[in-house]
Amino acid sequence: QQQVKQSPQSLIVQKGGISIINCAYENTAFDYFPWYQQFPGKGPALLIAIRPDVSEKKEGRFTISFNKSAKQFSLHIMDSQPGDSATYFCAASIYSQTGANNLFFGTGTRLTVIP
Amino acid sequence: DGGITQSPKYLFRKEGQNVTLSCEQNLNHDAMYWYRQDPGQGLRLIYYSQIVNDFQKGDIAEGYSVSREKKESFPLTVTSAQKNPTAFYLCASSIGQGYSNQPQHFGDGTRLSIL
Repeated sequence: QQQVKQSPQSLIVQKGGISIINCAYENTAFDYFPWYQQFPGKGPALLIAIRPDVSEKKEGRFTISFNKSAKQFSLHIMDSQPGDSATYFCAASIYSQTGANNLFFGTGTRLTVIP
Repeated sequence: DGGITQSPKYLFRKEGQNVTLSCEQNLNHDAMYWYRQDPGQGLRLIYYSQIVNDFQKGDIAEGYSVSREKKESFPLTVTSAQKNPTAFYLCASSIGQGYSNQPQHFGDGTRLSIL
C-alpha cells in the first residue's frame, strides 16, 4: 500500500515554464513533508521541506504548497531550466520520540525541461 | 567534508553468491537506512537501524541482511536468497530518535547487476 501517491510519473516542460508535481497522503499523523531531487546515477538530495502548520514555503524558484484539509501537497518549479531535469520524490514522515521516524516516499516524477 | 560514502559504485553478482555493499557516514548520525530503487517504484525500505547493535526489517527485507557494529557503518549483504537483486541500492542516514522533521541524507548508491 502506497502511503504517499505522486503524480505525474513523467513531465515535460519548456524552458521558462512552471513545473508542477502533486502528492497526496491518507495518514493525518504525517508531520513532515520533504521533497528530494535525484540526478541519474546519484542519490536523492533534499530540495525543500514543509511542516503541516504552514500552507506554503518558498526557496528560490522552488515552492511547496500544502493543503492540509485535502491531504495534498505539491512542488512548483518556477522558470524551469534544463538543469532542473531530474527525478523528484515527495515523502512524508511521522515524528515519534522513540520510533524510527521513517520516510514514506512517492514513486517519483521524471522531469524533463526542454531548452 | 561530511557525508555518506557507498562502495563500490558498481557490483556484479554471480548466481548463488552473497555480496556485501558498504555504507559509511561521518555525519555522527545515529539512524541509518538501506533502500532499493527500481524504475517506476520509488524507494523501498530494506532495513533500518536507529542505534548501534540494533536494526529492524523494512518493507522488503527478505533475501537481505545487515549489521550495525559501529555507528559509522551499516553494511548490507544481498544473499543468494534474493532472486531478483538487480537494482540501485541507496544508503541514508538521519540524526536519530527524539528529533522531529529529520531529513535523510543519501549516498550516491551502488548499482548491482547479475552476471
